Amino acid sequence: GAGVSQSPSNKVTEKGKDVELRCDPISGHTALYWYRQRLGQGLEFLIYFQGNSAPDKSGLPSDRFSAERTGESVSTLTIQRTQQEDSAVYLCASTPLAVSTDTQYFGPGTRLTVL
Amino acid sequence: AQSVTQLDSQVPVFEEAPVELRCNYSSSVSVYLFWYVQYPNQGLQLLLKYLSGSTLVKGINGFEAEFNKSQTSFHLRKPSVHISDTAEYFCAVSLYNFNKFYFGSGTKLNVKP
Repeated sequence: GAGVSQSPSNKVTEKGKDVELRCDPISGHTALYWYRQRLGQGLEFLIYFQGNSAPDKSGLPSDRFSAERTGESVSTLTIQRTQQEDSAVYLCASTPLAVSTDTQYFGPGTRLTVL
Repeated sequence: AQSVTQLDSQVPVFEEAPVELRCNYSSSVSVYLFWYVQYPNQGLQLLLKYLSGSTLVKGINGFEAEFNKSQTSFHLRKPSVHISDTAEYFCAVSLYNFNKFYFGSGTKLNVKP
């Protein structure tokens, strides 16, 4: 079956512009995570969606970052007024259940470059 | 606070040699432990995970890891590496009954012929 997909694969934008990143999880997966991976660093948790529950936004670095997910489908991560420090690979992962023993299935990522 | 430390950012090794990639974590509660691998130009995929039971866990491609609670470690090992094992390896933990995952900074394994 299809895995997690993300679009675009690459995005170059100018400082101050807004960007929207998309994640299509595996069909039927309950939970969806967004991570940021800066060059040479590990994965930094951003936000977590679990079914119809309120999302865990504790990892969002500033109010310029927001994300939405409708039910158990597509999610979008929006970064407003982008800054150069936002340059990173943004990864999305989904899990079948919303439990901490689950395997995460990752998308290929979106590489964001802010000029 | 929880944290995951991968002590080596890069590990060069010759083909057919053994390798150990180190991972230490800190947590005040019980954890589950994972190793993920990212091959060049591919997404992360699960290598193995420890949930409970035997502290020695076997994964794909001949890798294994041992959970050591007293040393709060979960080192990844392979007795004989192959060129195709060249990749970046990430250690991760999740907390019991709390759906959040914490990742280390990754170790790049470079297998040389």
